[in-house]
Amino acid sequence: GDSVTQMEGPVTLSEEAFLTINCTYTATGYPSLFWYVQYPGEGLQLLLKATKADDKGSNKGFEATYRKETTSFHLEKGSVQVSDSAVYFCALSVPAGGTSYGKLTFGQGTILTVHP
Amino acid sequence: EPEVTQTPSHQVTQMGQEVILRCVPISNHLYFYWYRQILGQKVEFLVSFYNNEISEKSEIFDDQFSVERPDGSNFTLKIRSTKLEDSAMYFCASSLRLNGEQFFGPGTRLTVL
Repeated sequence: GDSVTQMEGPVTLSEEAFLTINCTYTATGYPSLFWYVQYPGEGLQLLLKATKADDKGSNKGFEATYRKETTSFHLEKGSVQVSDSAVYFCALSVPAGGTSYGKLTFGQGTILTVHP
Repeated sequence: EPEVTQTPSHQVTQMGQEVILRCVPISNHLYFYWYRQILGQKVEFLVSFYNNEISEKSEIFDDQFSVERPDGSNFTLKIRSTKLEDSAMYFCASSLRLNGEQFFGPGTRLTVL
């Protein structure tokens, strides 16, 4: 079945450091890929997405590129801020059709803490 | 900005009791989902719902679980006889289109004693 694997956490960085959170996937179809973020006490929010190979999703300084050849969708940010402290989830969705109705398959989540 | 809301934020119940978790999706959305996250584990899909019926469900979603959209605004998840292993954070999500962005609620933490 479909699955997503994220790098083990937690990740602790100093402000302005470079961030990478690795994500790889396996899927039977041609999935769309997502990064969701969860701030303390809140629900999951879509951070960025990519729907086809070589697409780059970007938002709030975060970027991730859909790499079909390595089945990866690593999240990067050049300079993190304290306000980026949150839990980050990589996820995939196989396009609707057949037995799929848009469900999301998530990785285990990575806790990011950024210190001043 | 429209948002998905969930009540209660925390529910404590005794094993064997029935619980109903409530969600109010974004008003013009058509697709509805429940997910859960057991502490320290992945967010897992439970069920999707469209046009007043279940469109897909996972292996977790057995006969103890049911969903309903009773009045056109609420979307509920019922667990008929709770088990200890049902303790988790339950997230509701809604989407305007199939494969569109899913908007999540803040979750209900269910604790089964």
